[in-house]
Amino acid sequence: SQQGEEDPQALSIQEGENATMNCSYKTSINNLQWYRQNSGRGLVHLILIRSNEREKHSGRLRVTLDTSKKSSSLLITASRAADTASYFCATPLTSGTYKYIFGTGTRLKVLA
Amino acid sequence: GAVVSQHPSWVICKSGTSVKIECRSLDFQATTMFWYRQFPKQSLMLMATSNEGSKATYEQGVEKDKFLINHASLTLSTLTVTSAHPEDSSFYICSAYGTGYHSNQPQHFGDGTRLSIL
Repeated sequence: SQQGEEDPQALSIQEGENATMNCSYKTSINNLQWYRQNSGRGLVHLILIRSNEREKHSGRLRVTLDTSKKSSSLLITASRAADTASYFCATPLTSGTYKYIFGTGTRLKVLA
Repeated sequence: GAVVSQHPSWVICKSGTSVKIECRSLDFQATTMFWYRQFPKQSLMLMATSNEGSKATYEQGVEKDKFLINHASLTLSTLTVTSAHPEDSSFYICSAYGTGYHSNQPQHFGDGTRLSIL
């Protein structure tokens, strides 16, 4: 399977703490994307990082990318109960394609 | 902007019936749409790529006669699950790119359809 792996599979933290989730992928990529999925809903795009970028920020989100290790991490700082969701990384099936493969996901629970 | 609407959000039907799910781009034109299937607490699995005005491209292992896809306009793709059986029960999600897209763009997702076959 070309599907990426994410860890941890599940994460439970207190409000205000930081949450870090990791994604490893298998193919060569030109970008990697992170999405959030609230229970029973569709996916919401969070951030896209290109292969020539090492770090990107968006509000409380920080994404890093290490193409040599084929891995990425998503850090959510000062987490809130509303951050409770599943988080998925997505990478192109092949570099430059518009088909994406989604990782196994991390289920984050933020306790108030 | 870039809103994708999926309908219905939930459907329950008897085994043997066919179910049609619609995916619409509300404020943009979508030349390419994707259909995914998701089992509980699992990731999304790409089923097929829907291209406006041409045949859909199915991923390996997906039965094209079971999952009929029609993308007749730039704002609508439909997925019909034919002769549905309990094993077809799942969460189906569509996504879309706009016209003039390139690979470094995010996908815009619908809210999904939960299909339950009794």
